[in-house]
Amino acid sequence: SQQGEEDPQALSIQEGENATMNCSYKTSINNLQWYRQNSGRGLVHLILIRSNEREKHSGRLRVTLDTSKKSSSLLITASRAADTASYFCATEGDYKLSFGAGTTVTVRA
Amino acid sequence: GAGVSQSPSNKVTEKGKDVELRCDPISGHTALYWYRQSLGQGLEFLIYFQGNSAPDKSGLPSDRFSAERTGGSVSTLTIQRTQQEDSAVYLCASSSLESSYEQYFGPGTRLTVT
Repeated sequence: SQQGEEDPQALSIQEGENATMNCSYKTSINNLQWYRQNSGRGLVHLILIRSNEREKHSGRLRVTLDTSKKSSSLLITASRAADTASYFCATEGDYKLSFGAGTTVTVRA
Repeated sequence: GAGVSQSPSNKVTEKGKDVELRCDPISGHTALYWYRQSLGQGLEFLIYFQGNSAPDKSGLPSDRFSAERTGGSVSTLTIQRTQQEDSAVYLCASSSLESSYEQYFGPGTRLTVT
């Protein structure tokens, strides 16, 4: 069963705009990760935030985590056409990742 | 260095046939995972291997599914008597002890059962 749920399911933005997507989960976690998937194939790890962290940055990515609300958000700033992909949050527990259904982001040139 | 590789990249099989999917993890990675992704869905955990420990098979959907990992490296996922609902992309991932939380994924095998 899926632990996380992403919102929105799909997002279309203009190049240069910011993209924000949210993830909610149900049980306590060790950490939460965000992955990107292009063309329905392999996933690429983007960023990990531990349960005792509230915010983390990596390049144009900003992730927040609110364990009291069991939610996380991923912000992609100054989006590019190459950011077009599906984005998944994954919660880690017992070394297994539980993924949400993902947010499909389309960046229009 | 080389990433996680999987073969075949695509497999079309007839209902009722057995299939074997292969995963070569990153060299030195002790943990190996199999996931399944149905069309438009997130990933579903299937099985987890860590070193020489007994695998965590809690995600296998039925006894038609099995997996083994020989010599702590290559893994094979076997699906017996395939059904149409087995059609999906099967993804393998590996991770190291030093960075056990970060999983590196292969490109996946797209299985189509006709």
